[in-house]
Parts: sequence; C-alpha cells; structure tokens
Amino acid sequence: KAGVTQTPRYLIKTRGQQVTLSCSPISGHRSVSWYQQTPGQGLQFLFEYFSETQRNKGNFPGRFSGRQFSNSRSEMNVSTLELGDSALYLCASSLGVQGNQPQHFGDGTRLSIL
Amino acid sequence: EDQVTQSPEALRLQEGESSSLNCSYTVSGLRGLFWYRQDPGKGPEFLFTLYSAGEEKEKERLKATLTKKESFLHITAPKPEDSATYLCAVKSGTASKLTFGTGTRLQVTL
Repeated sequence: KAGVTQTPRYLIKTRGQQVTLSCSPISGHRSVSWYQQTPGQGLQFLFEYFSETQRNKGNFPGRFSGRQFSNSRSEMNVSTLELGDSALYLCASSLGVQGNQPQHFGDGTRLSIL
Repeated sequence: EDQVTQSPEALRLQEGESSSLNCSYTVSGLRGLFWYRQDPGKGPEFLFTLYSAGEEKEKERLKATLTKKESFLHITAPKPEDSATYLCAVKSGTASKLTFGTGTRLQVTL
C-alpha cells in the first residue's frame, strides 16, 4: 500500500514569492493534516482538512492556507515568503478524525527561502 | 493548552545497553498518546498508540507504557539501526491535531 506522497521534495524560493505544496494521502484516508518542522520549534500544527473542510487551524499567519480536494488530496500555499518560513513541511493522513486514529506522515517538502 | 516534554534531549548507548526515554504530558482529556521514530531526511514513522493509563505496547526491541502523567519508551538491547529521533505526541479533547514534544535523539554505537 503506497504511503503519503509529498511533492516536490525540495524547493528553493526567494523572499516575497509564493509556493504551493502538494500531498496525496494513503488510499482510503480522508483526513489530511499539515505540520511545519524546524530545528528551533520542532513540529508545529498548521491545519487539518476532512471532507474538503478545514476542521482545525494552528497559530500561523494568514499567509499560510490550504485546501483539500474531493479525492482527499491536499495542497498548502504560503504567500509572501519570509526567511523564517524555511522549514520541512510535513503532511500526514489518517482514516478519520477520531482521537485514536494514528496519523501517517510523508517525507516532507524541504523549503528553503533565500 | 497541551504540553509535551521529552527527556533526555540526546542519548548515546552502546549496542545491547538497554534504556528508557521519557515523555511527560499535560492535556485536558487525553484521546491518545503516540510514539514516532524519525530518521534524518524522512518523515516521522508511526510506532505506537496508547489510550489509557496502564496500557503497554511492544514491537521488536521497543516497549511503550503509559501512566496518567507520562509515557516511557523502553529500548531493550538496542542495535545501531535503532539510532533515530524518537518523538512523542498527544491528541486531546475533540481536536485531532497532534502536539509534539521536541524529541530524543538516540545514537546506538557498536
């Protein structure tokens, strides 16, 4: 069974640009969550989608947005990039939104801002 | 707000030297405590879910236990391939987001 697929794996952008990251969940999984991982802050929750609806949002500025499509694939967008946005962006999927459902992660997109 | 604290930050063991990693948590209504393993350049790999105090789960050389305030990941007779960062995370209330600790970097040497 294929795991969570994230594209691209690596991305280099400059300040002020915008970027779109893509995530394909495990087949049959309907919930997709996004996290930002940095050496200083660790893994921080960005947002979660289920059935094309955003259910939860973390403490990030409005420059960070996302969406989910009817096939459960998800994208996140970051506009007006800042140097501090350099991070590993991880997508995780789970069967549903129940508390005991484990989330399974992709290998992330490494975003570097110059 | 949920809080997760992991200790130690880093641990170096010799092959075969057993030890434990600690995860202390403060949540309102624990729905699940999760252990992950993360290798460099990879995403976290799911290991265990624990739901209630007293629960234990095992997988090869790893055993996870849960109390009302903390969880332990016991590593028995570790091998070099067990070297990784081990992450602990919690879900609470009705939210399905994971709150992570900062992890324990484990290095197992020959």
